[in-house]
Amino acid sequence: KQEVTQIPAALSVPEGENLVLNCSFTDSAIYNLQWFRQDPGKGLTSLLLIQSSQREQTSGRLNASLDKSSGRSTLYIAASQPGDSATYLCALQGFQKLVFGTGTRLLVSP
Amino acid sequence: GAVVSQHPSWVICKSGTSVKIECRSLDFQATTMFWYRQFPKQSLMLMATSNEGSKATYEQGVEKDKFLINHASLTLSTLTVTSAHPEDSSFYICSASPWTSSTNTGELFFGEGSRLTVL
Repeated sequence: KQEVTQIPAALSVPEGENLVLNCSFTDSAIYNLQWFRQDPGKGLTSLLLIQSSQREQTSGRLNASLDKSSGRSTLYIAASQPGDSATYLCALQGFQKLVFGTGTRLLVSP
Repeated sequence: GAVVSQHPSWVICKSGTSVKIECRSLDFQATTMFWYRQFPKQSLMLMATSNEGSKATYEQGVEKDKFLINHASLTLSTLTVTSAHPEDSSFYICSASPWTSSTNTGELFFGEGSRLTVL
């Protein structure tokens, strides 16, 4: 059974800092890995999708990496802004089934 | 990107009544949609996989007679919470993928969620 853990559970940083969110998983037989953002009381917004054969994806200030051999993915956020405050979820997709991590609540203060 | 719409975004109902939540893929066809449930400050838990034209596949521990799922068309799946009770109060989210044999990225797109409060 796939288990997905995110560390840290919560993170508070001042504006401008570069930060790394971690995602660990137990089963490397995945189809892809996806990072999401969720604002309070809202649905999910897809940030980055990394296919199983890829090592990383970049979008603007976001960079996500995938290392299947070690069962880890990281989401790097450069020059953080207050608008980045949200909960970040990683999700591993097996055959049609998506397993979510526990999430990291990020607060970026002005 | 692909758009998934959920309705209603929030609903309050009395205990014992049934509530229907709709999930629509607006600009693509989805043979498969997924329904998730999220409790406060917790991650999403997959409830069931909705398959167009066939019965839904429920995750272990999810009562299929309690949470009725219908996927009548390639753009619409509905979740009906039957005889709702206060413990059914939660945030329900659906997702879908424009998954075809030629454009299979596996990426999932999510609705905005529906908050159910059962009094």
